[in-house]
Amino acid sequence: GENVEQHPSTLSVQEGDSAVIKCTYSDSASNYFPWYKQELGKGPQLIIDIRSNVGEKKDQRIAVTLNKTAKHFSLHITETQPEDSAVYFCAAVRVRGAGSYQLTFGKGTKLSVIP
Amino acid sequence: IAGITQAPTSQILAAGRRMTLRCTQDMRHNAMYWYRQDLGLGLRLIHYSNTAGTTGKGEVPDGYSVSRANTDDFPLTLASAVPSQTSVYFCASSGSDRGIGYNEQFFGPGTRLTVL
Repeated sequence: GENVEQHPSTLSVQEGDSAVIKCTYSDSASNYFPWYKQELGKGPQLIIDIRSNVGEKKDQRIAVTLNKTAKHFSLHITETQPEDSAVYFCAAVRVRGAGSYQLTFGKGTKLSVIP
Repeated sequence: IAGITQAPTSQILAAGRRMTLRCTQDMRHNAMYWYRQDLGLGLRLIHYSNTAGTTGKGEVPDGYSVSRANTDDFPLTLASAVPSQTSVYFCASSGSDRGIGYNEQFFGPGTRLTVL
């Protein structure tokens, strides 16, 4: 089955600096890669995603890059703010057919933005 | 708009007791999921249901059962709780057709369960 490795497990940055979280996956058939943000006491929430036919996607201060050949993808947060502090999860999705897919999460990265 | 609600918010349970965690969504999503979240292990899928009347096993199904009698509700039952089932449990649902075969999962607020 799919195995998703996520690094680092914890990350501290100064406010205004950039943060990068990296994930690797093992199943070359995975074709969709969402990123979730989990704030304290809440459930995870999708913040950005990328399909396997795209190398990069950006949404304001958040960007995700994908290298299919190397089977790794990364989340980039620029100009970090205290409200970016949360646990971030990457995931790899293998779509098998209409309505059928397998989703595997990484183990999470706790990001702390220091004011 | 409530989205997904879970009950209870937290629970302390004696080992051997039966417990049902409730999950209700009002988005008319076809698919629903139960995950457990443990420190250092991320989110692991327990059971899922692609549509009302069907269920399937995830990565860690042992000791848990689910039912899907209707679209909105997806209860998770621990028939005889054990301490290793101490965890935070999240229910999720998905259903928006984005045309890519994968639908975004929306998560509930979670239930913190402690089994003593």
